[in-house]
Amino acid sequence: AQSVTQPDIHITVSEGASLELRCNYSYGATPYLFWYVQSPGQGLQLLLKYFSGDTLVQGIKGFEAEFKRSQSSFNLRKPSVHWSDAAEYFCAVGSGGNEKLTFGTGTRLTIIP
Amino acid sequence: DAGITQSPRHKVTETGTPVTLRCHQTENHRYMYWYRQDPGHGLRLIHYSYGVKDTDKGEVSDGYSVSRSKTEDFLLTLESATSSQTSVYFCAISDDRVTQYFGPGTRLLVL
Repeated sequence: AQSVTQPDIHITVSEGASLELRCNYSYGATPYLFWYVQSPGQGLQLLLKYFSGDTLVQGIKGFEAEFKRSQSSFNLRKPSVHWSDAAEYFCAVGSGGNEKLTFGTGTRLTIIP
Repeated sequence: DAGITQSPRHKVTETGTPVTLRCHQTENHRYMYWYRQDPGHGLRLIHYSYGVKDTDKGEVSDGYSVSRSKTEDFLLTLESATSSQTSVYFCAISDDRVTQYFGPGTRLLVL
């Protein structure tokens, strides 16, 4: 069964500092990997996705993520965070032909001035 | 943003009452999904649809039913609401069966 672990429940970062959010997955074959962001009271917005090919993927809002098969990881990064990045971030894993997207429990990001 | 609306956005109801939530899309995507979001659980799939009148169960389907009579509408029904069904419900759509786009959510409180 596929699973996703986001080890950090809550992260606090200063505005302008770099950010890395961790995601580890468990899946037998090559997974499809996603990062979503959720602002308070809002739905989930797709930041980026990895299906195959280049292991470094670029997303919206200046985010990027790197797929590392050897570490079963898909960490999200941003070189310089803005106050508007404060939100909850969800990593998810899926597979083609399978309806099931499995989500991690999320990482809440707080930005301090 | 994908054209997805959910109604109502907020609802308070009493235990034992039937409740229907509606998801409407303007993207003509074939696949539609209902999730619930609860603290500490992330999002969990309730039911999904792979076409008009074609639906299947997800991991937490007990107590829920769905219907899809048109491509654009996917209804989630709680036949007899219970307090354990207090949650935030999200609809999602997909055209490639993998990438899912989410609606704004419905907050349901069952008293």
